[in-house]
Amino acid sequence: TQLLEQSPQFLSIQEGENLTVYCNSSSVFSSLQWYRQEPGEGPVLLVTVVTGGEVKKLKRLTFQFGDARKDSSLHITAAQPGDTGLYLCAGARNNAGNMLTFGGGTRLMVKP
Amino acid sequence: DAGITQSPRHKVTETGTPVTLRCHQTENHRYMYWYRQDPGHGLRLIHYSYGVKDTDKGEVSDGYSVSRSKTEDFLLTLESATSSQTSVYFCAGNSGFSDEQYFGPGTRLTVT
Repeated sequence: TQLLEQSPQFLSIQEGENLTVYCNSSSVFSSLQWYRQEPGEGPVLLVTVVTGGEVKKLKRLTFQFGDARKDSSLHITAAQPGDTGLYLCAGARNNAGNMLTFGGGTRLMVKP
Repeated sequence: DAGITQSPRHKVTETGTPVTLRCHQTENHRYMYWYRQDPGHGLRLIHYSYGVKDTDKGEVSDGYSVSRSKTEDFLLTLESATSSQTSVYFCAGNSGFSDEQYFGPGTRLTVT
């Protein structure tokens, strides 16, 4: 049983469409990170959210941390083929040292 | 300028042989981690280090050992490789001042 559930697991859309990826848990996190991973490479940090209700924008990507700090979402506006990849959320908890709990990932394919 | 490098990037080995994977970092990260990534399982923590010569087990540590003789290097050893250890292995680092982890490019290991 994963502490962090990501949905959907797979998403295939056309260029220009919008999409939202969800990361849910019953646990409270002190912070939550989103990473993107491309084939043959390691995950790359996109953003960290810390405060409940926080919204961060990174160009066409909008990240939100739930008010109770148990869930998060990633919204991509007007997706482009360059957005294709595996998106991972990861949560940090106060009593877990410097370890992260990773979600299972959402594999996104954006077709031109 | 890659902050975390891994070597080798690819390796094929036979069942029963010992294998050592190397992670080298130039970021002065205090914490370092070894993960394996498999389809359907996401990123799973094998071992981590919270300082030179200070290491501890993660959730999938059986069959693996680690060593950290200096800040820059974190070695992962498979004492006697098995086919179930065929995977992609990622090293990551964390400064200790925030929750973010920074990943290396990965090592693809195949045990035949």
